[in-house]
Amino acid sequence: GESVGLHLPTLSVQEGDNSIINCAYSNSASDYFIWYKQESGKGPQFIIDIRSNMDKRQGQRVTVLLNKTVKHLSLQIAATQPGDSAVYFCAEKGTGGFKTIFGAGTRLFVKA
Amino acid sequence: GAGVSQSPSNKVTEKGKDVELRCDPISGHTALYWYRQSLGQGLEFLIYFQGNSAPDKSGLPSDRFSAERTGGSVSTLTIQRTQQEDSAVYLCASSYKGRSGSATDTQYFGPGTRLTVL
Repeated sequence: GESVGLHLPTLSVQEGDNSIINCAYSNSASDYFIWYKQESGKGPQFIIDIRSNMDKRQGQRVTVLLNKTVKHLSLQIAATQPGDSAVYFCAEKGTGGFKTIFGAGTRLFVKA
Repeated sequence: GAGVSQSPSNKVTEKGKDVELRCDPISGHTALYWYRQSLGQGLEFLIYFQGNSAPDKSGLPSDRFSAERTGGSVSTLTIQRTQQEDSAVYLCASSYKGRSGSATDTQYFGPGTRLTVL
């Protein structure tokens, strides 16, 4: 979960389109995964989570998909809105541990 | 009640000075975390407090960094003899269940303190 420096992966989508943000996690023993949204000048905000015994979970306009075989996590945002513009972080955590490991983040731009 | 609060929101200091950053977690939350976020980067774990247990300091980058949590609530992160590379946003988070074995303790973040070392 180390950073990639100033050049965050960036996704640009048209307002109203669906967005898919991808994340590869590192630890096969992780069993809990979270997506956070961070708007400029603010702390990260919880969006949705999923346990490893599930492969899909839906929230309001958001869906998280988990593929444990390839250690891949994705966040789908339906009907993306300008207010969805932010940096999105995936995070992983293992049972028995406290430490949450954050990914480097993806910047989402929503074009009006 | 209110969310996690941090103060100050911005701090500008000169190289070599000491700084103290404060975090007020959500009332009743047993776990408290400090992270550092450099410009355009992800979150770097610094330190973790859980109840009355000894804190996990494994993320502190040097012995110039220290943190305390008084009375299981408010926490202070202290950076001594600040260096320019300490410039970053320092984020605090708290959660209700941070104990080992609990996998779903969602962390709630404060707005951060932006530290600039000149």
